[in-house]
Amino acid sequence: KNQVEQSPQSLIILEGKNCTLQCNYTVSPFSNLRWYKQDTGRGPVSLTIMTFSENTKSNGRYTATLDADTKQSSLHITASQLSDSASYICVVSDGNNRLAFGKGNQVVVIP
Amino acid sequence: GAVVSQHPSRVICKSGTSVKIECRSLDFQATTMFWYRQFPKKSLMLMATSNEGSKATYEQGVEKDKFLINHASLTLSTLTVTSAHPEDSSFYICSARDIRAGTGRNNEQFFGPGTRLTVL
Repeated sequence: KNQVEQSPQSLIILEGKNCTLQCNYTVSPFSNLRWYKQDTGRGPVSLTIMTFSENTKSNGRYTATLDADTKQSSLHITASQLSDSASYICVVSDGNNRLAFGKGNQVVVIP
Repeated sequence: GAVVSQHPSRVICKSGTSVKIECRSLDFQATTMFWYRQFPKKSLMLMATSNEGSKATYEQGVEKDKFLINHASLTLSTLTVTSAHPEDSSFYICSARDIRAGTGRNNEQFFGPGTRLTVL
């Protein structure tokens, strides 16, 4: 069964600090991996997308990495802002375009 | 580009009534749309795949007679929750797949803002 596990489940960080979110997956065959940001009561918004051959992808203060050998990905948030408070969801697509969702990393940025 | 809208954004209804949720792709055509539900602090769960001009494909455990899906055009899919009960209260999210080749987003799913359904 295709699974996506994210850690930590939740974390609180001070404004201006960095944090790293982890995603492990067992999806096979692998097509691509996306990180989404979901604000409370809103739909997910795509941050990054990586295919098998890509190791890192940046979008502003967000940097995602992918290790396809170990089936791990991370999302690094640099210089966090209050608006970064959200759930960050790791989504892996298999070769049939089916998506496997993680439960999300709940990030709370405090001043 | 790649904007997906949902209407209404939130709805409160009495138990036993039916509620219709619309999902529209505003600036692209989508032959396939997806309906998800999400419980608090849980991941999105795929309910059904909506195909334009044909019957929807439902995931195991999802009652097709309770969750009616209609995908009448390339930009609109609707989900009707029939005879709603309090346990149907949830956050419903749709997504639409842009299939146009050469756009750089072939097969990517774009998500709507979600609809909060509360059944009293």
